This record gives sequence, C-alpha cells and structure tokens, in this order.
Amino acid sequence: QSVLTQPPSVSAAPGQKVTMSCSGSSSNIGNNYVSWYQQLPGTAPKLLIYENNARPSGVPDRFSGSKSGTSATLGITGLQTGDEADYYCGTWDSSLSANVFGTGTKVTVL
Amino acid sequence: QVLLVQSGTEVKEPGGSVRVSCKTSGYTFTRYNFAWVRQAPGQGLEWMGWISAYNGNTKYAQKFQGRVTMTTDTSTSTAYLELRSLRSDDSAVYYCARETSTSETNYFDNWGQGTLVTVSS
Repeated sequence: QSVLTQPPSVSAAPGQKVTMSCSGSSSNIGNNYVSWYQQLPGTAPKLLIYENNARPSGVPDRFSGSKSGTSATLGITGLQTGDEADYYCGTWDSSLSANVFGTGTKVTVL
Repeated sequence: QVLLVQSGTEVKEPGGSVRVSCKTSGYTFTRYNFAWVRQAPGQGLEWMGWISAYNGNTKYAQKFQGRVTMTTDTSTSTAYLELRSLRSDDSAVYYCARETSTSETNYFDNWGQGTLVTVSS
C-alpha cells in the first residue's frame, strides 16, 4: 500500500484545467521535495516536475507543481488529448528510508 | 542525449532468478545513482532500491532485502538488477531510472524503456 494518496481519476474538456492532489505525511511530503511523473499508455514514466515546482527542459509551462504542508498538487492548463496519461507523485520517506510513489491519477480528456 | 536501454523480455519459473541490464550512454556514468522501479500489471510504481554508480553503495527497499542485488559495470556504463526466489507476484515491468540526488533532493530524470518479466510455471 502506497503512503502517498492520489485521486484515481480526474477529467476535463480540451483547453480546460485540471488539478490533482498527492497527500502524504510529515515523514515524506512534509519534509522532502516532491516530483511528478507522466506515464503515457504503454510507455515508461517521464519526469514532469522536480523539487516541488521545477520543470525539466522541454516540459511545457502548462504543467505546474506546488506543495503545502503534507500535500502536493499538479496542475495542467490548456488540456490536450496528448495529456491523457497516468500521473504519479514521488518523494523520499524519511521514516521508511525509501522512495515512495503515489497511487497514481488517470487524466481523461473528455 | 541521455539514453537508458534495457534488456529484453524474460519468462522465468517460480523459484528462479532473473537479471535485467540497463545500458547507458550520453553522460558520465559515475556521476549519478540508479534506481530500479517495478510496475505490476495495472498497478502503480514500486521503488525497489538504488545503487551509486560512483562507489557501488546500495540501498534496498525492505520488501526485497535478501532477494535483490543491484550492481554496475563502469567499463560498459551498465547497471544490473538481479532478483532471486521469483514468485508469480514478481511478474511486472521493471524500469531502471537515472537518479539525480543531493543531500536535499532526489528525483528520476531519465528512464529505461522497461523490461517485462513474467514468472510462470
């Protein structure tokens, strides 16, 4: 069982905005940086956001990340059909002494 | 261009072992750690552990302690994962991921394409 909880799914029409949460605790999100990964169907995960809100080169600014307390949020604006994917949050858990991932959120473009 | 290319599909019997390779190119191998992450069919991502390509230090998830060994070969810029005493619930896609790590942060900035391991009699 993952220690990071995400909503199973979110959806919106093309061009709209979606946000998804990642809820943890003081041993993980509360005291460590959060990263986000996009997994398109049948492919490997891809780094989308690191250190809570930084984007790697090549990731559009439609994707944004934030953190507050023991929760993090990923936002996608200007939703496109190509954004349909599973999204995972990840961080270090100091109590487990292990990296942990969220349960994953499936984004559907209506 | 950073590339991580993994070995091909494996089919193993219960009780056996599997070795997955991850050959890298496009950067200085010893400057990064490697993590191994697996994903069972229809499930989420599960971190298995990491290895330093600089000095070979490892950290394994408690769940896999005693069954897993991670190694690197600096002469070929390749990382390896060995998992022993395989069970049916080890059937999954196994990913290698390059890890950027400092005292304050870590994240996985490049991933291999994945290796499907099926455990079945």
